[in-house]
Amino acid sequence: DAKTTQPPSMDCAEGRAANLPCNHSTISGNEYVYWYRQIHSQGPQYIIHGLKNNETNEMASLIITEDRKSSTLILPHATLRDTAVYYCIRTTSGTYKYIFGTGTRLKVLA
Amino acid sequence: DTGVSQNPRHKITKRGQNVTFRCDPISEHNRLYWYRQTLGQGPEFLTYFQNEAQLEKSRLLSDRFSAERPKGSFSTLEIQRTEQGDSAMYLCASSLIIWGSTEKLFFGSGTQLSVL
Repeated sequence: DAKTTQPPSMDCAEGRAANLPCNHSTISGNEYVYWYRQIHSQGPQYIIHGLKNNETNEMASLIITEDRKSSTLILPHATLRDTAVYYCIRTTSGTYKYIFGTGTRLKVLA
Repeated sequence: DTGVSQNPRHKITKRGQNVTFRCDPISEHNRLYWYRQTLGQGPEFLTYFQNEAQLEKSRLLSDRFSAERPKGSFSTLEIQRTEQGDSAMYLCASSLIIWGSTEKLFFGSGTQLSVL
């Protein structure tokens, strides 16, 4: 069971950076870390993924520790529209096995 | 890019009735997934297709559930003899798998099923 551990909820002030942690202490060498988010009443939306190196795109940054046992998703300037459930998933490339846990419910406060 | 389209958005049915949901993936995508999501939980994998072939089914997918993807385009998910426990959001996702590359899933907005 490809499990990850995330805090159930977090708050963040609008305009500040939101740092969402994920623990994947048993991750294998060929498993990627993916992040998706789900805004209320919509399907999940891809954010970012990485293997070993830190990654950045227009939505977020992903910081993966050197031992790869944990990672942090960073939303640099959170807005109210970033309020959502954020899922951290570990999976091998090209597999169908995307196992979503219960995620972190991020609330961005005005 | 019109995104993944699911119809209907909402379905209310009586216990024992059959229901069918449709998913239209992004046009060039060769993989299609079905997930189920209940309140407060993350999506759970049900089944997936590579082109028209159904390659994996979860044990969650009882004999009352059947999915098809004729010609590798749209997909349908049918639930026969619905039960109240089938009430959930049914999500479809598609992706383009190219050998050696990583995969990104694109989800539709789902079909919310309520079984009375």
